[in-house]
Amino acid sequence: KAGVTQTPRYLIKTRGQQVTLSCSPISGHRSVSWYQQTPGQGLQFLFEYFSETQRNKGNFPGRFSGRQFSNSRSEMNVSTLELGDSALYLCASSLQGDGYTFGSGTRLTVV
Amino acid sequence: KNEVEQSPQNLTAQEGEFITINCSYSVGISALHWLQQHPGGGIVSLFMLSSGKKKHGRLIATINIQEKHSSLHITASHPRDSAVYICAVIKTGNQFYFGTGTSLTVIP
Repeated sequence: KAGVTQTPRYLIKTRGQQVTLSCSPISGHRSVSWYQQTPGQGLQFLFEYFSETQRNKGNFPGRFSGRQFSNSRSEMNVSTLELGDSALYLCASSLQGDGYTFGSGTRLTVV
Repeated sequence: KNEVEQSPQNLTAQEGEFITINCSYSVGISALHWLQQHPGGGIVSLFMLSSGKKKHGRLIATINIQEKHSSLHITASHPRDSAVYICAVIKTGNQFYFGTGTSLTVIP
C-alpha cells in the first residue's frame, strides 16, 4: 500500500515569501500531523488534523497554518518566511492517532 | 527544561553488541513512541507503548509508567542499525514532545 507522500521534496524560497507544503496520508488514515525538524531545536510538533478539524497545535506563531481536506490530504502554509524557518518539515498519518507513519519530508531552505 | 530527556546523545558500538538507549520524561503521557531516523531524513516509527514491553525482531522497547522511563534495546547490533533514535511522548491532550535523539553508529 502507498505510504505517506509529501510534496515537494525540496524547496528554496526567499525571505518574506510564503510557501505551501502538501501531505497525502495513507488511504483510510484520517489523522495528519505536521512537524518541524531543525539542527538546533530538533523535532517539534506543529499541529494535527483529524477529519478536517485541527485537533492540536504546538507552540508556533500564527504564520504557520494548515488545513485538511475531505479526502484527508493536508496542506501546511508558512507566510512571511524567515531564515529560521529553514527546516525539514515532516508529516505523519495515522488511523486515529495511534501508530504513526511518516513521510520523507520536505526540506525547505529560506534564503 | 526539556520534557523528554534521552541518553546517551551519541553511541558507538561494535557489531554484535547489546545496545540500550534511555528516555526519561516529566509529563503525564498517553503513549510513548520510539522513532528511527536514517541519514536523509526519513523517520520510521518503531514502537508505540503505553505500558509494559514490546519486541520486534532484534528490537525491544520497555516502559515504566510509574518511573516515567523507557528503554530501547537492540540485540546483536548490526551496521544497518546506525541511525538516530528519537523518543517521543504524547502528552495527555495529544501534544507531542520529542527527545533530542541518540546517534548510534555500529562499526563492523
